Amino acid sequence: SQTIHQWPATLVQPVGSPLSLECTVEGTSNPNLYWYRQAAGRGLQLLFYSVGIGQISSEVPQNLSASRPQDRQFILSSKKLLLSDSGFYLCAWSEVYGNQPQHFGDGTRLSIL
Amino acid sequence: DAKTTQPNSMESNEEEPVHLPCNHSTISGTDYIHWYRQLPSQGPEYVIHGLTSNVNNRMASLAIAEDRKSSTLILHRATLRDAAVYYCIPIITQGGSEKLVFGKGTKLTVNP
Repeated sequence: SQTIHQWPATLVQPVGSPLSLECTVEGTSNPNLYWYRQAAGRGLQLLFYSVGIGQISSEVPQNLSASRPQDRQFILSSKKLLLSDSGFYLCAWSEVYGNQPQHFGDGTRLSIL
Repeated sequence: DAKTTQPNSMESNEEEPVHLPCNHSTISGTDYIHWYRQLPSQGPEYVIHGLTSNVNNRMASLAIAEDRKSSTLILHRATLRDAAVYYCIPIITQGGSEKLVFGKGTKLTVNP
């Protein structure tokens, strides 16, 4: 069966520090991968998605970037965190075929001080 | 993008059926309707999806109106573990991938 791993579960970082969140999927090949963010009291917002290695689409301009160095690995990064980057970050995957459900990880709760 | 309208909140009693409505009057003819739910401090969980016909799975049933302008998620016997925010999402296919655009959803409270 397929599983998705996301870490760390919680993270406290100072303003201006770098960020690297990692997500890996097991049990499937060539999945579509997604990064979402949920700010406190708000809905989920799609940040990036990827349909293959090295292929990244950005949904909103922001202080973050994403990379997909391997088929089942998706990384969310920032060079210098802002206070507004605080939130609940979720990675998800889906099969490449159309209209497949997305399966979410347990998320990373990021607090910027 | 198709817009959805859901009640902000609903309340149910344990063991009773729950009907969660969603209006999506601007949906296109090929957009599937997906439903997800999110428990507190967890990632969303897929519930069910459909296009035109009613759909059933182990978690719920999905009734889609004939004109596809609305749908209803049916939980046949609510349990305390069903308390969550439920999202109705028309799928947008773009760039070879499906995009989920989450609205505010319906917060379901289940009373014991």
